[in-house]
Amino acid sequence: DSGVTQTPKHLITATGQRVTLRCSPRSGDLSVYWYQQSLDQGLQFLIQYYNGEERAKGNILERFSAQQFPDLHSELNLSSLELGDSALYFCASSAIGDSTSPLHFGNGTRLTVT
Amino acid sequence: GQQVMQIPQYQHVQEGEDFTTYCNSSTTLSNIQWYKQRPGGHPVFLIQLVKSGEVKKQKRLTFQFGEAKKNSSLHITATQTTDVGTYFCAGPQNYGGSQGNLIFGKGTKLSVKP
Repeated sequence: DSGVTQTPKHLITATGQRVTLRCSPRSGDLSVYWYQQSLDQGLQFLIQYYNGEERAKGNILERFSAQQFPDLHSELNLSSLELGDSALYFCASSAIGDSTSPLHFGNGTRLTVT
Repeated sequence: GQQVMQIPQYQHVQEGEDFTTYCNSSTTLSNIQWYKQRPGGHPVFLIQLVKSGEVKKQKRLTFQFGEAKKNSSLHITATQTTDVGTYFCAGPQNYGGSQGNLIFGKGTKLSVKP
């Protein structure tokens, strides 16, 4: 058990809808990351937060947004969903959020857009 | 843009055979991390390499970081069925930068036939 909690585990929704994915980092970790994993596409970095502030941004679509709250949990909002957004979304956390900190991944949220 | 590439994409071996996956970066890396994702699971941190030419061992797993810090390899001796999964390498987005996000290779999916 990595200590990172993601909810929900599965999400099935229709095109055009909006969903929110939630992540609680490991106790003591200040940085949260969001990654998207599609079939055969590896792990695509979306966004990183550190202690409530955005630290780095990857290939995150404008339809997607995220935030990290004062209690350090994070939410990833996906709107105007398209079929191509179907994927496994991982949250990861690390202690101090620098490039030498190992990432601890949650179990992921599997999003299916129909 | 910066890329981390892995080969091969897939590897099928007989139990007891050796396995190697290679990771190449388009830029010099300050460090490299390796992760393993079991089928249906989430990525789990294996190891980090920091020094040029560094070699680290974990039981049957041997990790190397190239002299130029642009490539790395993972070698598994005498594979077992428990080694099944996808192995990812990951490097920092910016060499020497303070950002903590990692760029992942697409991974090498290992299957082991008993």
